[in-house]
Amino acid sequence: AQTVTQSQPEMSVQEAETVTLSCTYDTSENNYYLFWYKQPPSRQMILVIRQEAYKQQNATENRFSVNFQKAAKSFSLKISDSQLGDTAMYFCASGYSTLTFGKGTMLLVSP
Amino acid sequence: NAGVTQTPKFQVLKTGQSMTLQCAQDMNHNSMYWYRQDPGMGLRLIYYSASEGTTDKGEVPNGYNVSRLNKREFSLRLESAAPSQTSVYFCASSDLFGAGVVDTQYFGPGTRLTVL
Repeated sequence: AQTVTQSQPEMSVQEAETVTLSCTYDTSENNYYLFWYKQPPSRQMILVIRQEAYKQQNATENRFSVNFQKAAKSFSLKISDSQLGDTAMYFCASGYSTLTFGKGTMLLVSP
Repeated sequence: NAGVTQTPKFQVLKTGQSMTLQCAQDMNHNSMYWYRQDPGMGLRLIYYSASEGTTDKGEVPNGYNVSRLNKREFSLRLESAAPSQTSVYFCASSDLFGAGVVDTQYFGPGTRLTVL
């Protein structure tokens, strides 16, 4: 079975600062995808960013970028210029035919 | 284009009662999933359907059944609800690539279920 570990249950950052959320995973597959999802207080699961494991280049989406280290099975999320609206639970997920989710990191952005 | 819809949004049951959670997607995705979310546990896969006509168990299938009614609809049934099934339930859908690798999953708004 796959495992996904998010070692930071909670993190805090001030507006406009940069924060990095950690994620490690364990898989025996060569081809898979990695995802970061955001869950604000509304409860809706929202895709933040996606990384294809066979691509060397790190994915970026506006203020969000990843640091994908395939050999180390590490997939961290960097949020630049943090905004109040980034306050949410963030989940890392990895998988082949199904996804395994980490337990989440609660990010609080303060003024 | 509604994406993934779930009904109901909230439900309270008594122990032993049964109910069915409904899920529909309009994105023409082949694969659909049911998850439960409990505090501190992330999302755990209950059942999934890789394509119309197939269903498979996930990590926590006990106490649940599913039906893939057609390509759009995937229901989750609790035959005899227990307090341990109190949770938030999410339905999701996605495409699979040619090698069966799961792509981005799109989620419904969730159902908060309380079993007394």
